[in-house]
Amino acid sequence: NAGVTQTPKFQVLKTGQSMTLQCAQDMNHNSMYWYRQDPGMGLRLIYYSASEGTTDKGEVPNGYNVSRLNKREFSLRLESAAPSQTSVYFCASRVQVGETQYFGPGTRLLVL
Amino acid sequence: GENVEQHPSTLSVQEGDSAVIKCTYSDSASNYFPWYKQELGKRPQLIIDIRSNVGEKKDQRIAVTLNKTAKHFSLHITETQPEDSAVYFCAASRRSYNTDKLIFGTGTRLQVFP
Repeated sequence: NAGVTQTPKFQVLKTGQSMTLQCAQDMNHNSMYWYRQDPGMGLRLIYYSASEGTTDKGEVPNGYNVSRLNKREFSLRLESAAPSQTSVYFCASRVQVGETQYFGPGTRLLVL
Repeated sequence: GENVEQHPSTLSVQEGDSAVIKCTYSDSASNYFPWYKQELGKRPQLIIDIRSNVGEKKDQRIAVTLNKTAKHFSLHITETQPEDSAVYFCAASRRSYNTDKLIFGTGTRLQVFP
């Protein structure tokens, strides 16, 4: 039981490049989330998926897209990376609303 | 929109002293309040949570209190140890058909000096 896994762990991009961050969970959770964490800003929700087949915007969705590929996997895509997207990205999942949310190990992204 | 405010942003205590971190929330329908601990370079991990049907919950040296009327909740750590040093985040969410968001505070950096 690996919990929540994320790939890659580190990534350096040039402005304008695209990439997809991958997230998977093996806990049979219904809900999955993408957050970004910047110094002094806490954890800000980018997008979430309350269940397979649904996605919704969070606080800071601009510049990102998501895909809930199946119940296990939830990917985050940056179509045209900008320096302002330099951050640590965390994926998380939980069984349902009101239950414990578990985080992945994070992806450190640097956009030059 | 929903908002969670957390204070203080930094907190320094001597080993053995108590530490208290406070949060206020704006959405009166919030009914689930977790606390996460994040060590440097690691993922946030749940340390304790409380639901709106109780006013206090304790787990060894950690306790959380909830005041629904005032819309605030607090984390209490007693007999602090150097390994308690980390960033702590509070959060709030509500169980609803069309919402599934956990709103986080901005974090408190706790330093425990030996």
